[in-house]
Amino acid sequence: DVKVTQSSRYLVKRTGEKVFLECVQDMDHENMFWYRQDPGLGLRLIYFSYDVKMKEKGDIPEGYSVSREKKERFSLILESASTNQTSMYLCATQGLTNEKLFFGSGTQLSVL
Amino acid sequence: AQSVTQLDSQVPVFEEAPVELRCNYSSSVSVYLFWYVQYPNQGLQLLLKYLSGSTLVKGINGFEAEFNKSQTSFHLRKPSVHISDTAEYFCAVSSRLTYNFNKFYFGSGTKLNVKP
Repeated sequence: DVKVTQSSRYLVKRTGEKVFLECVQDMDHENMFWYRQDPGLGLRLIYFSYDVKMKEKGDIPEGYSVSREKKERFSLILESASTNQTSMYLCATQGLTNEKLFFGSGTQLSVL
Repeated sequence: AQSVTQLDSQVPVFEEAPVELRCNYSSSVSVYLFWYVQYPNQGLQLLLKYLSGSTLVKGINGFEAEFNKSQTSFHLRKPSVHISDTAEYFCAVSSRLTYNFNKFYFGSGTKLNVKP
């Protein structure tokens, strides 16, 4: 089965720090995504990538950037973390038939 | 853009009772429909999906959903819930943007709380 691994389950950072969230998948999927999940708001798309070095803004890209240097790895970067970026961050990949998403277990980020 | 509405943010129900979680979406044009489940401290898992064909879709753990094109709904049901069904459930719609990319739109989630 597809495995999507997010490197940290919990992360605590200070305001202004640069934060890297890492995601690795083992199924050679082209499409990868970063979502943020907040209570009552569901999942909102931050950025996605459909190939190495290719990236597209999602619905809420402000304050974030991404990097995809290798097919299996998709990183989310918070250049200068702020308290309103405290959230659950979910990485996902899209299957070969583009029918469904496979999710990692999430990173709960707290910015103090 | 699509929008997905889950009308109930929380649904309390007693064990062995039936449950329906409601989902409506904005357009029925060429969409795929999904229900995902998120157990505490975990990522999202696919519960079931509708791509085409029969409007009644059966998923894992005894859940099923019915696609209603005229009402643009995709409600999730289970005839008898268990304590282990306590989780948050997300309805999602995907529509094709390019030949190899479908964009997903998620509802705000419904927390199902099964009580003994």
